[in-house]
Amino acid sequence: RKEVEQDPGPFNVPEGATVAFNCTYSNSASQSFFWYRQDCRKEPKLLMSVYSSGNEDGRFTAQLNRASQYISLLIRDSKLSDSATYLCVVTGNTGGFKTIFGAGTRLFVKA
Amino acid sequence: NAGVTQTPKFQVLKTGQSMTLQCAQDMNHEYMSWYRQDPGMGLRLIHYSVGAGITDQGEVPNGYNVSRSTTEDFPLRLLSAAPSQTSVYFCASSYSRGNTEAFFGQGTRLTVV
Repeated sequence: RKEVEQDPGPFNVPEGATVAFNCTYSNSASQSFFWYRQDCRKEPKLLMSVYSSGNEDGRFTAQLNRASQYISLLIRDSKLSDSATYLCVVTGNTGGFKTIFGAGTRLFVKA
Repeated sequence: NAGVTQTPKFQVLKTGQSMTLQCAQDMNHEYMSWYRQDPGMGLRLIHYSVGAGITDQGEVPNGYNVSRSTTEDFPLRLLSAAPSQTSVYFCASSYSRGNTEAFFGQGTRLTVV
């Protein structure tokens, strides 16, 4: 089992749709959680951190469920510019501090 | 703002050749790392450094060496290139290890033939 698993993609949605990405992690001692965005043939960039209380940034909402070891990202009112790959990232400090990237979920937003 | 600068952006090597991928950051970050990204596998950690003079292995270190003589620079050396090392390589830096934003370089697309 992979340490960080994400929804298989790609997701194809029309503009204005709401889309949700899920991510599960296997290490219960994981400490920090993030969503990164990666455009085609570009470097990953931080989209948002994920807190236990949940957090929102405009059209984007991230949530963490530690009991279920589950992270989610919700994008409301999708824009064409949201088309990208979304990477779930989990860090922890067991057996040496590790940052683990999920394989990513590709999103296509169409007009 | 330069951020993290990686060179070269593209490289083709023949099997058995060696080369160095350069990485420099101007944010005075202590933590730097190298990843490779292959289709369907996400980013995998090759080597990392928590400060000048300190390096350690990540998940996939075989075939690669690193050094950290200054805070700014963290080069990655391929000792004897193999086709399995064909990948996209990213250098990243962050203020601390794990719980802060990682800034990535633009990547190096390496092909080994």
